[in-house]
Amino acid sequence: AQSVTQPDIHITVSEGASLELRCNYSYGATPYLFWYVQSPGQGLQLLLKYFSGDTLVQGIKGFEAEFKRSQSSFNLRKPSVHWSDAAEYFCAVGARLGYGGSQGNLIFGKGTKLSVKP
Amino acid sequence: NAGVTQTPKFQVLKTGQSMTLQCAQDMNHNSMYWYRQDPGMGLRLIYYSASEGTTDKGEVPNGYNVSRLNKREFSLRLESAAPSQTSVYFCASSEFSGQHYGYTFGSGTRLTVV
Repeated sequence: AQSVTQPDIHITVSEGASLELRCNYSYGATPYLFWYVQSPGQGLQLLLKYFSGDTLVQGIKGFEAEFKRSQSSFNLRKPSVHWSDAAEYFCAVGARLGYGGSQGNLIFGKGTKLSVKP
Repeated sequence: NAGVTQTPKFQVLKTGQSMTLQCAQDMNHNSMYWYRQDPGMGLRLIYYSASEGTTDKGEVPNGYNVSRLNKREFSLRLESAAPSQTSVYFCASSEFSGQHYGYTFGSGTRLTVV
């Protein structure tokens, strides 16, 4: 079955600084990969997703993520963080049809909480 | 353009009481899910329904039951609430037919069991 790890529980960055949130996965093939954001008291919103092809994917709110097969990683980046980016971020992985794992179900990391300093 | 609608948004129960959390989606998705979110634990799958007429256990099904009422609606029932079920519950839906487009989440139900 697939699994996902977000090594950083909490990250603090200054407004205007760059951001990278880490995500590592375990799966026997290239999984479907997702990043979600959750603002306080809200549901989860999809930021971006990776299926195949170009390993650099663009998402909403100026975020991007890069899939690196050799490192089993899908890190989320933003060049310049805004105070409104303070939230919790979740990486999720989904199994490929026919490649084993929980078909259709996403497995979520435990999340990384982002704080932004003025 | 409602997406996934959950009711209620907040609920306080006494230990031993029962209740049903409602979830409805208007995107014609086949699959629906119930997750619980606890601090430091991420999201854990309680039950899911891959298609109308089917339901399956997830990672933490004990103490819960579900009903896929029709393609739109998927409810979660707590028969005898326990303090350990204090959590935020999220319903989600997706369309998975070989390609996974991700979940659409509801806004959550914050449940406190006292």
